[in-house]
Amino acid sequence: AQSVAQPEDQVNVAEGNPLTVKCTYSVSGNPYLFWYVQYPNRGLQFLLKYITGDNLVKGSYGFEAEFNKSQTSFHLKKPSALVSDSALYFCATRGGGYQKVTFGTGTKLQVIP
Amino acid sequence: GAGVSQSPRYKVAKRGQDVALRCDPISGHVSLFWYQQALGQGPEFLTYFQNEAQLDKSGLPSDRFFAERPEGSVSTLKIQRTQQEDSAVYLCASSTPRDREYNEQFFGPGTRLTVL
Repeated sequence: AQSVAQPEDQVNVAEGNPLTVKCTYSVSGNPYLFWYVQYPNRGLQFLLKYITGDNLVKGSYGFEAEFNKSQTSFHLKKPSALVSDSALYFCATRGGGYQKVTFGTGTKLQVIP
Repeated sequence: GAGVSQSPRYKVAKRGQDVALRCDPISGHVSLFWYQQALGQGPEFLTYFQNEAQLDKSGLPSDRFFAERPEGSVSTLKIQRTQQEDSAVYLCASSTPRDREYNEQFFGPGTRLTVL
């Protein structure tokens, strides 16, 4: 079965500092990994995905993620956090013959001015 | 173009009532998904359609939950005899016409269901 884990319920970071939101995965076959962001009272928005190839994936709003096969991780990163980045972030996986997306439990990112 | 839309955005039901939640996917999107998101949790898969065919309903929590997509576009999720544990946000998503496992999904804003 496909699964992803987000070990941190909340991450606090000062505005302007780099941020990292952690995700580890357990999948069979090729790992297709995604990051989504959810703002209050809104649906999920796609940020970026890893399919194959370059381990550093660049996405929307200056976010990027690093795929690490040996550590089975797909951490979300941004060099300089903005207050407007404060939201709920979900790591997800899709694959192994399944059409559905399996989400992590989410990490609340709080960027402090 | 328009994104995925859902209606109503908010629904309050008394325990035992039936509810119907609507999803309008992005035009031309073949794949449509329903998810349930409980407070403080990640979305959980409910069911999946490819055109009008319901290919996976393994996530539906009970036989009180029923989904349909009769013409391969708009979908309705129906919950019969609602219970308090059904209170959640119900998210609909669609995916590109040639959907593959590496494709992202496009989500609607969700319907927040509160069962009293």
